[in-house]
Amino acid sequence: RKEVEQDPGPFNVPEGATVAFNCTYSNSASQSFFWYRQDCRKEPKLLMSVYSSGNEDGRFTAQLNRASQYISLLIRDSKLSDSATYLCVVRLGSQGNLIFGKGTKLSVKP
Amino acid sequence: EPEVTQTPSHQVTQMGQEVILRCVPISNHLYFYWYRQILGQKVEFLVSFYNNEISEKSEIFDDQFSVERPDGSNFTLKIRSTKLEDSAMYFCASSEAFPGTYEQYFGPGTRLTVT
Repeated sequence: RKEVEQDPGPFNVPEGATVAFNCTYSNSASQSFFWYRQDCRKEPKLLMSVYSSGNEDGRFTAQLNRASQYISLLIRDSKLSDSATYLCVVRLGSQGNLIFGKGTKLSVKP
Repeated sequence: EPEVTQTPSHQVTQMGQEVILRCVPISNHLYFYWYRQILGQKVEFLVSFYNNEISEKSEIFDDQFSVERPDGSNFTLKIRSTKLEDSAMYFCASSEAFPGTYEQYFGPGTRLTVT
């Protein structure tokens, strides 16, 4: 069973659209949750941490459901610059290694 | 804004050769990590390092791999005898110690090509 599963996409959406990504994780001992974005052949960049109460950063909203072991990311009013691969990431301990999903590719078209 | 740096950006080596990948973590960070990403695959953890010793390592991090913090700023990954399957992007990352935040920040990566 994969540790972190994501729909690989691609999601092709027009500018201004709202798009949602989902992710599930297998280890119930996971303590920390993140969304990273990765541009082609670049490093992962932290987009946002995900908290149990849900959190928002501008156009981005992240939700966590520990009972279902499910994480989501909502992007509102998509921009061309949002085109990237979005990585769902979990960590077991407070300073432990990150466990990455394979990512969901987003392509925002004019 | 402070950032993790890595050198070289691209390294080409022949099978069986030793390579050393270099990283300079963010200056006030105390936890350091190496990850790799084979083309088209997910990012995979290799090793974490704290207080001059390995904290955790994955199954990938076998006897061919070693890490070192030779001075106060550099953090290196050595592959003793490279194999074709070691070809990948290698990312260094760092994070603050307690009581700070736990996010890991990644360097731009070194693309290793083994021929």
